[in-house]
Amino acid sequence: AQSVTQLDSQVPVFEEAPVELRCNYSSSVSVYLFWYVQYPNQGLQLLLKYLSGSTLVKGINGFEAEFNKSQTSFHLRKPSVHISDTAEYFCAVGADTGGFKTIFGAGTRLFVKA
Amino acid sequence: DTAVSQTPKYLVTQMGNDKSIKCEQNLGHDTMYWYKQDSKKFLKIMFSYNNKELIINETVPNRFSPKSPDKAHLNLHINSLELGDSAVYFCASQRMSGANVLTFGAGSRLTVL
Repeated sequence: AQSVTQLDSQVPVFEEAPVELRCNYSSSVSVYLFWYVQYPNQGLQLLLKYLSGSTLVKGINGFEAEFNKSQTSFHLRKPSVHISDTAEYFCAVGADTGGFKTIFGAGTRLFVKA
Repeated sequence: DTAVSQTPKYLVTQMGNDKSIKCEQNLGHDTMYWYKQDSKKFLKIMFSYNNKELIINETVPNRFSPKSPDKAHLNLHINSLELGDSAVYFCASQRMSGANVLTFGAGSRLTVL
């Protein structure tokens, strides 16, 4: 079985500051790793994904994430945040275990302050 | 053109009633899902269908019955609604090859009074 732990439920940060949202996962099989973003009253949108290859993955809106197999982590980073980045961020793992299943972490609320 | 569309967007009803939520995707994807998001934003998978066949059925009360008339549609019917069913229900679709990325609808907020 797979599981995802997002280590911070809320991250307040000032505009133009860097941010890191932490995610750890566990799985007994190979997984795909994702970060999704949810803006208020909307569905989730894909930010970036890791399938294989380079461990540094670049996504939309200036976000990037690094896959670390030894630490089973997939932390999300942005060097300079904007007010518009305020949203809920979800780390997710996907695996095919008799049907492809994507399991989500509990979410991290990023709050960007002026 | 909305890729994954859900109706209704909002649903307010009394305990004990039966209600349905509909979902349609125009992406040509093979697989569709229902997820439930509770008041703490936690997302839990409920069901998945691949080409009209039920693939994943998580531990969900049998008051919840999904139906897929074709691979572009997945509906969710809920019988005898309870207060704890209040949540936002998200439909999602996925092409079962390559990246396996989910495309979500905007959600259907169900409030049971």
